[in-house]
Amino acid sequence: DSGVTQTPKHLITATGQRVTLRCSPRSGDLSVYWYQQSLDQGLQFLIQYYNGEERAKGNILERFSAQQFPDLHSELNLSSLELGDSALYFCASSRPGHSYNEQFFGPGTRLTVL
Amino acid sequence: GNSVTQMEGPVTLSEEAFLTINCTYTATGYPSLFWYVQYPGEGLQLLLKATKADDKGSNKGFEATYRKETTSFHLEKGSVQVSDSAVYFCALSHNSGSARQLTFGSGTQLTVLP
Repeated sequence: DSGVTQTPKHLITATGQRVTLRCSPRSGDLSVYWYQQSLDQGLQFLIQYYNGEERAKGNILERFSAQQFPDLHSELNLSSLELGDSALYFCASSRPGHSYNEQFFGPGTRLTVL
Repeated sequence: GNSVTQMEGPVTLSEEAFLTINCTYTATGYPSLFWYVQYPGEGLQLLLKATKADDKGSNKGFEATYRKETTSFHLEKGSVQVSDSAVYFCALSHNSGSARQLTFGSGTQLTVLP
């Protein structure tokens, strides 16, 4: 158990809908990262937050957005869903002061868009 | 930009065989290098890491050496077990600035047969 929790574990929805994925980082970790894992794109970085502020953006679509709240949990919002958004979405967290940036991953949320 | 190239899978070995999974990277500066492992139905777990040239990361019998001259970080294990069956990801992260996202390779599926 990495200490990072993600809910829900599975999500099935229809095209055009909007969903919210939730992540709670390990105690003491200030950074939260979101990654998407799909068969065709592999593991891709989406976005990073540090102590409530956005720090880096990767290949995140405009239909996707995220935020980190004062209690440090984070939510990833996916809207106008398309079939191609079906994937495993991982959240990871890391602790400040680690120069090598060891990230701890949650178990993921499997999103299926029908 | 940064990129990681891993040897194509899948790899199938008999128990107690020697394992090598090749990984090369492209990056500016001096990234940190990681191997993550993903067991079926689970999230990613950090297997080992190296933060500077010539560092050797090791864990659970796995080893990898950070070779700056060949930009490589090959994973090796002298004697694999059935329980090592999983997908292995090579990844890099930069150490400067506040953006510390991981760039992953495509993953290598390892199956160890008894």
